[in-house]
Amino acid sequence: SQKIEQNSEALNIQEGKTATLTCNYTNYSPAYLQWYRQDPGRGPVFLLLIRENEKEKRKERLKVTFDTTLKQSLFHITASQPADSATYLCALDLSGGSYIPTFGRGTSLIVHP
Amino acid sequence: NAGVTQTPKFQVLKTGQSMTLQCAQDMNHNSMYWYRQDPGMGLRLIYYSASEGTTDKGEVPNGYNVSRLNKREFSLRLESAAPSQTSVYFCASSEAGVVSEAFFGQGTRLTVV
Repeated sequence: SQKIEQNSEALNIQEGKTATLTCNYTNYSPAYLQWYRQDPGRGPVFLLLIRENEKEKRKERLKVTFDTTLKQSLFHITASQPADSATYLCALDLSGGSYIPTFGRGTSLIVHP
Repeated sequence: NAGVTQTPKFQVLKTGQSMTLQCAQDMNHNSMYWYRQDPGMGLRLIYYSASEGTTDKGEVPNGYNVSRLNKREFSLRLESAAPSQTSVYFCASSEAGVVSEAFFGQGTRLTVV
């Protein structure tokens, strides 16, 4: 069966450090992968999209990599701040081209001042 | 722009009662989705609609019905609520037929007692 795996344990880091979150998937070759941020009591908000032919994508302090051989995406936040504390979700289109996002369970990031 | 608007934000139902969750988007999107989010389970797709007049089942459709009233509105109905349907419900929308981000509403927190 298709599966998206994100670390269920919260990631605790110190302010200023780089946070790295992992998204692994199995049994599929997605054309793209998305990352979303979710704050408590709110809906997810889109952050970045990376396509299968892109190795890396950057947006301000965010960087996403996509390794289709390893079936893994890494999401980095450099110079992390307490305001970056949230749950981060990865999403893939597992629908075979219908562009329907299937989400991982998310990883909670806590940045300590 | 309001984006995706969901009503109500909170609801408590008794087992067996029915209710409809409303969702409207003002971004002229063709695709709309209903997800439920439970602790440890992540976001799971209930139903989606690729265009006005079409709806399809997602991962967890049992106990729910949907109506795509027009291009803007996509409602989710619980005919006979059960405690297992206690969850946070999110509506989302996106452009259809292309790789694009999903926009989410603020969610409806539903408790069935």
